Amino acid sequence: AQTVTQSQPEMSVQEAETVTLSCTYDTSESDYYLFWYKQPPSRQMILVIRQEAYKQQNATENRFSVNFQKAAKSFSLKISDSQLGDAAMYFCAYRRSTGTASKLTFGTGTRLQVTL
Amino acid sequence: DTGVSQNPRHKITKRGQNVTFRCDPISEHNRLYWYRQTLGQGPEFLTYFQNEAQLEKSRLLSDRFSAERPKGSFSTLEIQRTEQGDSAMYLCASSLVSGTTGNTIYFGEGSWLTVV
Repeated sequence: AQTVTQSQPEMSVQEAETVTLSCTYDTSESDYYLFWYKQPPSRQMILVIRQEAYKQQNATENRFSVNFQKAAKSFSLKISDSQLGDAAMYFCAYRRSTGTASKLTFGTGTRLQVTL
Repeated sequence: DTGVSQNPRHKITKRGQNVTFRCDPISEHNRLYWYRQTLGQGPEFLTYFQNEAQLEKSRLLSDRFSAERPKGSFSTLEIQRTEQGDSAMYLCASSLVSGTTGNTIYFGEGSWLTVV
């Protein structure tokens, strides 16, 4: 079974600074997708960024980028120029790309605080 | 695109009562998922549908839980004889099988259940 581990329950960053959230996963599959979701206090889960395992290039979305290390099964999220609105729970998630196993498997989350 | 809609947003019920949650997915999305999330944890997969067919059920989905998607559009999640351990947020999500957004799952705001 696939597992996703987020070893940082809480992180703090100053506004305008950069922070990196860690995620590792375990799978025997070679083709899959990885995601970072943000869950603000209003509780709706919002997709931040996604990465296809077959792509070597790291995904980037504006201030958000990932460091995908397939061999190490590591998928960290870097937030640059942090803003107050970035404060939220961040969940790393894994999904197989084939078959009927279409579900997302989530980590336990990292709570990000952004300070002035 | 109005997003994934869930109701009721909050439900307080007495132990032993039945409750039903409704989810309206994003229009045209043929996959619909239910997840459960407790405080401080990541969402846990419960079940998912492709059109009206229920393709996978988690072991978390006990006999007291039933989900339906009768016409391949909206879905209901019913919990019978609720227990205090059922208190959680129930998240609905949807996705499209094909297309550029085929591997992105979009979440609703969730339905909070408190069993007293």
